Amino acid sequence: GAVVSQHPSRVICKSGTSVKIECRSLDFQATTMFWYRQFPKKSLMLMATSNEGSKATYEQGVEKDKFLINHASLTLSTLTVTSAHPEDSSFYICSAPPSGGRDTQYFGPGTRLTVL
Amino acid sequence: QKEVEQNSGPLSVPEGAIASLNCTYSDRGSQSFFWYRQYSGKSPELIMSIYSNGDKEDGRFTAQLNKASQYVSLLIRDSQPSDSATYLCADLNQAGTALIFGKGTTLSVSS
Repeated sequence: GAVVSQHPSRVICKSGTSVKIECRSLDFQATTMFWYRQFPKKSLMLMATSNEGSKATYEQGVEKDKFLINHASLTLSTLTVTSAHPEDSSFYICSAPPSGGRDTQYFGPGTRLTVL
Repeated sequence: QKEVEQNSGPLSVPEGAIASLNCTYSDRGSQSFFWYRQYSGKSPELIMSIYSNGDKEDGRFTAQLNKASQYVSLLIRDSQPSDSATYLCADLNQAGTALIFGKGTTLSVSS
C-alpha cells in the first residue's frame, strides 16, 4: 500500500519553543492531507485539513495561529506547533488520501510531542 | 456534528473465539464506514471499509453494516493474541474527506 512518513517520530521541547512536524507521501501525490491529534487513552481528533496551494482548514476549537500548517508541495505538509505548552503534548498523526481516492487514507506513523 | 460511538471496553476473549466489536453513528445519511486497528503508540491501520448494507468478509474479519439501525460491527474470527489492540470505527466528515473516529474499543485476546 501507499506510504506516508512523518518526521520526527518523537520530540521533546521546552515550553515556549516551536516545533515543526513533517508529513510526506512517499509514493503518491496528495493534494489534501489531514492532521489529527490523539491524547492518551483518547481517540484521534481531526485538527485541520491541509490543502496544497491554499490555506488550511481548521476544525472548530483549533487555533490556527498556534498550529501553523503549510502544504508546500503535492507530497509534503508541515505542522508547526508555535509557543508550545505542556498541554500541547500529544501524539500528532497525519494522513493522506491518494489524489482522487476519496475514501482511502494512509496514516503516517505519528509524532510523539512532549513539552516540558 | 457527526458522532461515532463505541464501547471503550476492554473486551476480553480467549484465543480462538470470535470477538464482536460494535459501533453506532449519528448521521443517517452517512455512506462510508471504516474499521482501523491501532496498537499502543502506533498510528491506525485500515482493516476494512464498508459502504453497503450487509456483510463484507476479508479473511478472519467480517464487517457488518445496518443503515436502518445506524450500526456497524466488526467480527474477528479465530482471535489471536496479536489481535489485541484498540479498534477504531470511523465515518467520513460532512465534507466527505476526513475521518471522524469513535473512541475505540480495546480488545484483549488471552492465550
